[in-house]
Amino acid sequence: DGGITQSPKYLFRKEGQNVTLSCEQNLNHDAMYWYRQDPGQGLRLIYYSQIVNDFQKGDIAEGYSVSREKKESFPLTVTSAQKNPTAFYLCASGPPRRLGELFFGEGSRLTVL
Amino acid sequence: SQQGEEDPQALSIQEGENATMNCSYKTSINNLQWYRQNSGRGLVHLILIRSNEREKHSGRLRVTLDTSKKSSSLLITASRAADTASYFCATDSIRGYGNKLVFGAGTILRVKS
Repeated sequence: DGGITQSPKYLFRKEGQNVTLSCEQNLNHDAMYWYRQDPGQGLRLIYYSQIVNDFQKGDIAEGYSVSREKKESFPLTVTSAQKNPTAFYLCASGPPRRLGELFFGEGSRLTVL
Repeated sequence: SQQGEEDPQALSIQEGENATMNCSYKTSINNLQWYRQNSGRGLVHLILIRSNEREKHSGRLRVTLDTSKKSSSLLITASRAADTASYFCATDSIRGYGNKLVFGAGTILRVKS
C-alpha cells in the first residue's frame, strides 16, 4: 500500500548525541516536509524539500539537518546543537507546485534523557 | 510563525451534538485545509477549501471560508465518540517561497458517549 513510513516510532537519546529519523514514501511525491510538534502546540516546520537534491529551511531549522538524495527518502538528523530536542516529529509528503493535501507518517517520538 | 489560530482550544460535547471549530489567519491565502490527529498519531487530511470558495461539504463535515474576515470554521454534525481527536487548520500563504503549509495550535475535541 502507498504511504509514508517513519522510523523509529520511539527513540531515546543521551544529551550530546546526534540521532537520525527516517522518512520513506512510495507515493511518488516530489515534496517532503519535516514538522515538529510540542504538547499543546501546533506543527512547526523544520525543513522541506520540493525536489531531489534541494531543500529549504523552515521556521525552526537550527540544530537540525536533512538530505534529499532520493525522491523516496528525506531523513532528519537532530544534532547535539538542538537545545530542546524532546518532541514528536512528523514527516509529510505532497505534490509539487500546486500545494494541496499533505500525507503524514505516524510520527517519531524523541526523548532526550 | 503560526498563521492559523484555532478557537476554542478545547471542546467537550455529547455524542450526537454538533461541534464547531474556528480558525483565523493573518495573511492572504491560496487555500485552507483542515486536518485531524488522533492522540499520538499522524495527521489525516479532512478537507481543502480554496480562497475562491465559500463553503464545502464532505460527509458530516462542513467548512466555510470568509476571506474578508480571514477566518474559517469546521462543523462536524451528529458527532460520534470516534470523532474525539485534535483538529488543525493549515494555510498556505500567497507570499513568500511557496509550497509549505503553516498550522495552527489546534482544537482538542472530546465527544462523550
